[in-house]
Amino acid sequence: GIQVEQSPPDLILQEGANSTLRCNFSDSVNNLQWFHQNPWGQLINLFYIPSGTKQNGRLSATTVATERYSLLYISSSQTTDSGVYFCAVGRGRDDKIIFGKGTRLHILP
Amino acid sequence: EAGVAQSPRYKIIEKRQSVAFWCNPISGHATLYWYQQILGQGPKLLIQFQNNGVVDDSQLPKDRFSAERLKGVDSTLKIQPAKLEDSAVYLCASSSPGQGNYGYTFGSGTRLTVV
Repeated sequence: GIQVEQSPPDLILQEGANSTLRCNFSDSVNNLQWFHQNPWGQLINLFYIPSGTKQNGRLSATTVATERYSLLYISSSQTTDSGVYFCAVGRGRDDKIIFGKGTRLHILP
Repeated sequence: EAGVAQSPRYKIIEKRQSVAFWCNPISGHATLYWYQQILGQGPKLLIQFQNNGVVDDSQLPKDRFSAERLKGVDSTLKIQPAKLEDSAVYLCASSSPGQGNYGYTFGSGTRLTVV
């Protein structure tokens, strides 16, 4: 099956800092999603981005499908950005998605 | 629109007992998924439904887990008998690929503790 690797596994930053999270995948995909799991366990869909670039406020994501990676950018971090960020991929657009192990982000006030 | 509803939020049972979880997806979402998330790991798919048909249950431990989605709307996931290693959060998600909506929306999950 498809392998999904996320880096770094852990990240501690001061409030206001910027960060880049990376997701590498082992095969061609037509479905890639980024999620944020908050400290209460709720998974929030941030982006559906099998290719290209999208932005939503302080968050943006870029997927380079031909090179099999995606990046999630968080600018001007806030303490509410803390939690675990997951990348998940699927071969087909409506196939199941497979999750990576996540990047745990902790923003210090 | 209302989100994905799950119940109960928490459940504690003894090993060898049975338990059931319920999920009501977003209205109109044809595809429903059950994921298992063990502490410190990413969610793992257990079963995927398209309307009331099973698309993928390759990772469902069928000797003890079962799931159904009658009438293509809400769904139940059952474990019988439970083992200690079933302690996890069980997440339900839905999507609507037929309407061009491939992004998943997750419910709040059910945290199961088996003692």
